[in-house]
Amino acid sequence: QQQVKQSPQSLIVQKGGISIINCAYENTAFDYFPWYQQFPGKGPALLIAIRPDVSEKKEGRFTISFNKSAKQFSLHIMDSQPGDSATYFCAASTPAGFQKLVFGTGTRLLVSP
Amino acid sequence: NAGVTQTPKFRILKIGQSMTLQCAQDMNHNYMYWYRQDPGMGLKLIYYSVGAGITDKGEVPNGYNVSRSTTEDFPLRLELAAPSQTSVYFCASSLQGTDGRDTEAFFGQGTRLTVV
Repeated sequence: QQQVKQSPQSLIVQKGGISIINCAYENTAFDYFPWYQQFPGKGPALLIAIRPDVSEKKEGRFTISFNKSAKQFSLHIMDSQPGDSATYFCAASTPAGFQKLVFGTGTRLLVSP
Repeated sequence: NAGVTQTPKFRILKIGQSMTLQCAQDMNHNYMYWYRQDPGMGLKLIYYSVGAGITDKGEVPNGYNVSRSTTEDFPLRLELAAPSQTSVYFCASSLQGTDGRDTEAFFGQGTRLTVV
């Protein structure tokens, strides 16, 4: 049972454009929603995370939008750069005090020069 | 700090062989995790530990065993390797924050395992 659905599977964006990746979840007990960035041959690294008490969080060019009623959250990458080309994973976890993360299936982003 | 260190980086096993994937962290994190990553499937939790001597199963524990004798180390044991265990394995660690919630999880660089 996939608890976090991620789309699209792949995305091509021109340099300077906006990249948008969407995730939907089923478990209303989730209270932590991180996004991870993974480069080939490397482990995932935390990019930005949000908790459901806010609807938006911005860090530099990266923004998470969170819609609790729709059980959806999305990652926006503004002014996308070739260096942003990577695989992005959304994830979610419950308030268990530790991160038993449930991951989406990933989005491979390619930013063309 | 080295962060989370995994060894080996690559390994080929024959069906039925066994091996241990090593994971060590030097951040004094109390929580540690093992995930496997299959193409197009995201990462799935195999086992986790909330402290030395305490481990529990995740979503896909069959065919694996873990132990946590120290805060720093969290080895993953594969007994009787099967082709279905061909995957990339990631170890991660995190720390319980002062508000009771955990801080971000840090991942190692992974071990690519092929069972033939």
